[in-house]
Amino acid sequence: QLQLQESGPGLVKPSETLSLTCTVSGGSISSSSYYWGWIRQPPGKGLEWIGSIYYSGSTYYNPSLKSRVTISVDTSKNQFSLKLSSVTAADTAVYYCAGGRRAAAGTMGWFDPWGQGTLVTVSS
Amino acid sequence: QSALTQPASVSGSPGQSITISCTGTSSDVGSYNLVSWYQQHPGKAPKLMIYEGSKRPSGVSNRFSGSKSGNTASLTISGLQAEDEADYYCCSYAGSSTYVVFGGGTKLTVL
Repeated sequence: QLQLQESGPGLVKPSETLSLTCTVSGGSISSSSYYWGWIRQPPGKGLEWIGSIYYSGSTYYNPSLKSRVTISVDTSKNQFSLKLSSVTAADTAVYYCAGGRRAAAGTMGWFDPWGQGTLVTVSS
Repeated sequence: QSALTQPASVSGSPGQSITISCTGTSSDVGSYNLVSWYQQHPGKAPKLMIYEGSKRPSGVSNRFSGSKSGNTASLTISGLQAEDEADYYCCSYAGSSTYVVFGGGTKLTVL
């Protein structure tokens, strides 16, 4: 059974870079069935897709965050990572990693499973 | 402002049915059969309830069903139970430049 777990600092200073890692267990990150994704949720607000990566290294980003986001994959460690630069208080959120299922047409489909989420606070 | 529009809240009594709408555009909901729905209880990660518009993952109750008409997708929960009280989010594939959009979420209250 595929499981995902986020890890990384819970506190980041304004203007610095937020870095998180998602470890995949119970399956291979090199599976062609998944686009591995990051989704965030500010306190009391809704879900926002940040971006996704295919095992081949192809990346797909939310246009509103694209200039600040980098997602990478480390197949040797069965992990994928998120970097968000120049953070502000508006980036304070619970960050989830998720397995984005590849639809039959080859596009991104739906997210399952999800990690438990990790709260990242941006504050000096 | 979320890309997909959902009502902020809906409510129903135990045993009743409710429907949550998710309105998008011809660039997302209307163009692809890739709407998914997620249930989120407070402090928990979202859980997939419906994918590809109307398919239920293994283990999800058949009280949950999904449908689509034009640019609007819908989630129906029949036989409401207290445990259904949660936030619900819709999500859609949105093409090769925007990729993924979520709705703003709907809080379901079971009276």
